[in-house]
Amino acid sequence: SAVISQKPSRDICQRGTSLTIQCQVDSQVTMMFWYRQQPGQSLTLIATANQGSEATYESGFVIDKFPISRPNLTFSTLTVSNMSPEDSSIYLCSVGRGYNEQFFGPGTRLTVL
Amino acid sequence: AQKVTQAQTEISVVEKEDVTLDCVYETRDTTYYLFWYKQPPSGELVFLIRRNSFDEQNEISGRYSWNFQKSTSSFNFTITASQVVDSAVYFCALSERGGTSYGKLTFGQGTILTVHP
Repeated sequence: SAVISQKPSRDICQRGTSLTIQCQVDSQVTMMFWYRQQPGQSLTLIATANQGSEATYESGFVIDKFPISRPNLTFSTLTVSNMSPEDSSIYLCSVGRGYNEQFFGPGTRLTVL
Repeated sequence: AQKVTQAQTEISVVEKEDVTLDCVYETRDTTYYLFWYKQPPSGELVFLIRRNSFDEQNEISGRYSWNFQKSTSSFNFTITASQVVDSAVYFCALSERGGTSYGKLTFGQGTILTVHP
């Protein structure tokens, strides 16, 4: 397994502002992903964070709204830009060493007022 | 495209009852993995089990057991003698090996399990 930490664990933000969420893993991993879980809903993949290149976004998510960085094999950030109340969600980072293994961080609970 | 369906939105049982959570999946890939995760009220996603598409053996871990049937594309999860601590949201998920889906998890809608004392 892998030990994954996320910062912040929760935050309350004003609309129109941006928040950057950090994800740190205790070992090098090939794949890092960012998921969103809106209140009472399932998890939806936002993007795959690629080391050394731009993130790959899923349908419905764009780089301007959710810029992602991945400077190395143990760290990634997700920024939620120009926030609105609809962005209130849990944001989860996950890591995997292949398609058969994936572990999740503790999540970041975001509330936008 | 891949899809995971958990038809049971909510299940309520009394402690010590057995409960089965259903999961049906769709995929065109012949090589894939299925997962179950538990999400307690704290929000963290806890990994429970994974099963690859070539292994249809049922698995038992303590009070938990899983029944994988490729013929019906189902991967059901049973909790025996449920306890209040089992109360959580349970997610079934699918990961494909092929193409652009490699490593990405597709989740079902989740089943809210409430175990009453």
